[in-house]
Amino acid sequence: DTAVSQTPKYLVTQMGNDKSIKCEQNLGHDTMYWYKQDSKKFLKIMFSYNNKELIINETVPNRFSPKSPDKAHLNLHINSLELGDSAVYFCASSQESPPRVFGPGTRLTVL
Amino acid sequence: GEDVEQSLFLSVREGDSSVINCTYTDSSSTYLYWYKQEPGAGLQLLTYIFSNMDMKQDQRLTVLLNKKDKHLSLRIADTQTGDSAIYFCAETNTGGFKTIFGAGTRLFVKA
Repeated sequence: DTAVSQTPKYLVTQMGNDKSIKCEQNLGHDTMYWYKQDSKKFLKIMFSYNNKELIINETVPNRFSPKSPDKAHLNLHINSLELGDSAVYFCASSQESPPRVFGPGTRLTVL
Repeated sequence: GEDVEQSLFLSVREGDSSVINCTYTDSSSTYLYWYKQEPGAGLQLLTYIFSNMDMKQDQRLTVLLNKKDKHLSLRIADTQTGDSAIYFCAETNTGGFKTIFGAGTRLFVKA
């Protein structure tokens, strides 16, 4: 069974569209994260939730909105997609910092 | 501010040792980590070291920490082709919630 799963794996969309990426972990971890990895592989934290509460909210445009319906799920909704949003988005989870288990990533391409 | 730096590439022959280096700026770092990312996959936490330790060994992996110089290294003994990946250095500060990643070192292992 996959420990941290993300859907979709690939997402190709037009500028201006709204899209969501879903993440689920079956490890019973309390903390979940969203990271953005750019084309140079630089990895940057976007959000972190602990027991459904937002604990890290980095300088991310308001167009990005995380939602944690329960502690096993952390979804990412992106409004009005821009070219610069193209990246690989990784979900991760852990019992406490640092992130221990990463999902396989969602490659977002904005045309 | 917080910053983690690594050299971008390293090439070694199979069977040789690899040494991947990292420097960090946050003197309040409490934990330092090494992650491995294989092509098309998420990161895996390989090993970590507490800031009050100098060295940690885990099978083929040896982590050395020079806290005075804020320098961390990962040595992989008897490097195999399966070790080819990107290795990320990361640190967590005293607050414990935020993990900062370096840009990653691409390790190429030649047969």
